[in-house]
Amino acid sequence: QKEVEQNSGPLSVPEGAIASLNCTYSDRGSQSFFWYRQYSGKSPELIMSIYSNGDKEDGRFTAQLNKASQYVSLLIRDSQPSDSATYLCAVNQVANTGNQFYFGTGTSLTVIP
Amino acid sequence: GAGVSQSPRYKVAKRGQDVALRCDPISGHVSLFWYQQALGQGPEFLTYFQNEAQLDKSGLPSDRFFAERPEGSVSTLKIQRTQQEDSAVYLCASSFSSGNTIYFGEGSWLTVV
Repeated sequence: QKEVEQNSGPLSVPEGAIASLNCTYSDRGSQSFFWYRQYSGKSPELIMSIYSNGDKEDGRFTAQLNKASQYVSLLIRDSQPSDSATYLCAVNQVANTGNQFYFGTGTSLTVIP
Repeated sequence: GAGVSQSPRYKVAKRGQDVALRCDPISGHVSLFWYQQALGQGPEFLTYFQNEAQLDKSGLPSDRFFAERPEGSVSTLKIQRTQQEDSAVYLCASSFSSGNTIYFGEGSWLTVV
């Protein structure tokens, strides 16, 4: 079992709709959680981080964390064609050797104009 | 520097050739990570440094892979006797301290022919 699991998609939504991206993780001791966006041919860039249970909103983006269910999600409201990218879920785990960041395989999102 | 800098951006190596990939992290960042990303996949952890100490190298796929960060700043990932399966993007990331958000460089695209 991989540390971080994501549905690879592809996920297609019409412009203006809500896109919902989901992620589960295996280590219950994970400390912090991140969503990165990666455009084709580019490196990942941070969208949001979340550390405690509940929702965290930043503009059109809302991250949701449920540690009991080991589940993280990202909602994108009023989706725009420019949101079309691969979204990577990352989880920070504390190990004997320090902090590790594990990534899922990513969910490909296409926003249709 | 303002961001994580990686060089070379693109490298074509003949099978059996040795390559060295360089990463210059954000100034003051203690933690440095190397990831390998194959096409259509998420970043796979290779190794992690805290200052000059390599705390985890469990992700290095074989003993052909070697990483160092001798002065706790610039890091080099060396791949000896490259194979076709080594073709991937090699991403370097850094963070201010353990557990903080990691920021990626633009990556080094390696193609082994």
